[in-house]
Amino acid sequence: QSALTQPASVSGSPGQSITISCTGTNTDVGAYNYVSWYRHHPGQAPQLIISDISNRPSGASNRFSGSKSGNTASLTISGLQAEDEADYYCSSYTTSMSYVFGTGTKVTVL
Amino acid sequence: QVQLQESGPGLVKPSGTLSLTCAVSRGSINNYEWWSWVRQPPGEGLEWIGEIHNSGSTNYNPSLKSRVTMSIDTSKKEPSLKVNSVTDADTAVYYCATGGSWTWHYWGQGILVTVSS
Repeated sequence: QSALTQPASVSGSPGQSITISCTGTNTDVGAYNYVSWYRHHPGQAPQLIISDISNRPSGASNRFSGSKSGNTASLTISGLQAEDEADYYCSSYTTSMSYVFGTGTKVTVL
Repeated sequence: QVQLQESGPGLVKPSGTLSLTCAVSRGSINNYEWWSWVRQPPGEGLEWIGEIHNSGSTNYNPSLKSRVTMSIDTSKKEPSLKVNSVTDADTAVYYCATGGSWTWHYWGQGILVTVSS
């Protein structure tokens, strides 16, 4: 299984909104609504910020929102803050009863 | 909320077997059905290794399936991971994770395992 495709880097100024894409195939992203997003600060445990395409878990900021169209899922971070500078990964369940992660996106707050 | 802590040798010789366990605190293995292992090689992205149900059934990443074994330590009730015939490419931070359906709410802090002679 191939990793889902994400942009290597995205940047924005504080207060701005950014969107990260996650492109897969009809055997993963396009097959189910089981796409999650994780924020990962180096040296720390990944943190779940979106599950099932667009659900925010308890405790996750409402500045995070998710969507999906076809084989591409997207994460939008609004009101960008310094703490958002991190690596972001999408993941999807697949038709092979496995999971696949995205290639990861480094978010820089200018 | 449940807390997870990976443990095991931080150094494994090439061709040897990597063995890790995941200690569960503030909860038990029966609180969640599926327990996954994920790894991140230095400078690279996350890779799903596989998952084990608290009843013992497993699903593995097809690319690692031939070398991976997951089990539940019945006495300690902890998920465990074994990867055999390791090479440099298996050097990574290894995480255990659980919580939710088709997602992972809870993650351990991770443990760096280096494959080197």
